[in-house]
Amino acid sequence: DADVTQTPRNRITKTGKRIMLECSQTKGHDRMYWYRQDPGLGLRLIYYSFDVKDINKGEISDGYSVSRQAQAKFSLSLESAIPNQTALYFCATSDLGSNQPQHFGDGTRLSIL
Amino acid sequence: QKEVEQDPGPLSVPEGAIVSLNCTYSNSAFQYFMWYRQYSRKGPELLMYTYSSGNKEDGRFTAQVDKSSKYISLFIRDSQPSDSATYLCAMNPRNAGNMLTFGGGTRLMVKP
Repeated sequence: DADVTQTPRNRITKTGKRIMLECSQTKGHDRMYWYRQDPGLGLRLIYYSFDVKDINKGEISDGYSVSRQAQAKFSLSLESAIPNQTALYFCATSDLGSNQPQHFGDGTRLSIL
Repeated sequence: QKEVEQDPGPLSVPEGAIVSLNCTYSNSAFQYFMWYRQYSRKGPELLMYTYSSGNKEDGRFTAQVDKSSKYISLFIRDSQPSDSATYLCAMNPRNAGNMLTFGGGTRLMVKP
């Protein structure tokens, strides 16, 4: 089984709909991250959480919200989806300590019509 | 201007070739450097992780860091079709709480 699991893997929805993407991990890491990936732009950080009570905005948080339900679960919500939020979304985790590498899930491909 | 620049490719090479993938960066505070490999429809997986200037070797892969020139490279020897993927460089400053800045990725195709 994958250490970082994202659901759903694919989603097509309409403008204005509320969408939740879920991430769970079995690595025991405290730190979790949400990124989006667009062609040529690499990965851009949306939100990150260093523990259950800690939530921080990343580079591109507008239009998104997150919830850290437990150490192992971190969900990303689009309250009212718009077409330019069509992208690949990745969840990642890392261990405590400075400069620990991040480990990624296999992503959610989200299309908003 | 992006903090981390990476040629998007695609880079097409014959099997067995030596591949050189590169990133340049502008922030002199970056101290930790990573290379991730991403196959189609998969998440990035960590390939190499370096701190100091110089070379680090792992099998067919060598990561090179030149902090004075703000330039990092990944070399792949004896490239295989299974190396066909997108390669992302990533970096962060010391004590930055794991905040990574990514390059845009280079797509590599190794032809049999």
